[in-house]
Amino acid sequence: QKEVEQNSGPLSVPEGAIASLNCTYSDRGSQSFFWYRQYSGKSPELIMFIYSNGDKEDGRFTAQLNKASQYVSLLIRDSQPSDSATYLCAVNSPGTYKYIFGTGTRLKVLA
Amino acid sequence: DTAVSQTPKYLVTQMGNDKSIKCEQNLGHDTMYWYKQDSKKFLKIMFSYNNKELIINETVPNRFSPKSPDKAHLNLHINSLELGDSAVYFCASSQWHRENEKLFFGSGTQLSVL
Repeated sequence: QKEVEQNSGPLSVPEGAIASLNCTYSDRGSQSFFWYRQYSGKSPELIMFIYSNGDKEDGRFTAQLNKASQYVSLLIRDSQPSDSATYLCAVNSPGTYKYIFGTGTRLKVLA
Repeated sequence: DTAVSQTPKYLVTQMGNDKSIKCEQNLGHDTMYWYKQDSKKFLKIMFSYNNKELIINETVPNRFSPKSPDKAHLNLHINSLELGDSAVYFCASSQWHRENEKLFFGSGTQLSVL
């Protein structure tokens, strides 16, 4: 079992729709969870991080965390073509000195 | 000002050669990393340094030798390059002991081994 799992996609949504990206992780000791967006040929950039169970909203983005189910998700409301990118889920655990990434989900927002 | 800068951006070389990638961060972070991203976009950690000390070496071949002269710099030297080394290499940094501290990435080095 991979440490952090994501559906590779592509996930295609029409412009204006809600895109839902999911991630599961195996280490129950994980404490911090991150969503990065990566455009083709560019480096990953942080969109959201979440630490506590529940929802965290920032503009059009909402991160959701359920530690009991070892599940974290990212919702993108009012999706725009400019949101088309690969979204990477990352997890870190205390004392490990590393961030573990999922394989990423490619999102396509259709105009 | 660029927070994490790495050079070169592109590296094209022949099999068997030796090459280096340099990385510098001006964020005052105590931890630096090298990640390798393959053609399927999977980001895999290679090395992690905390306060110049090697903390993680994720079963990377001995041909890869990182070096951290100080907390702000982490270089990567690769000996006897092989075709399978072709990938994008990202340097990153963070302040490890700060809760929720995010990882800052450099712009990446695209290595092509011919």
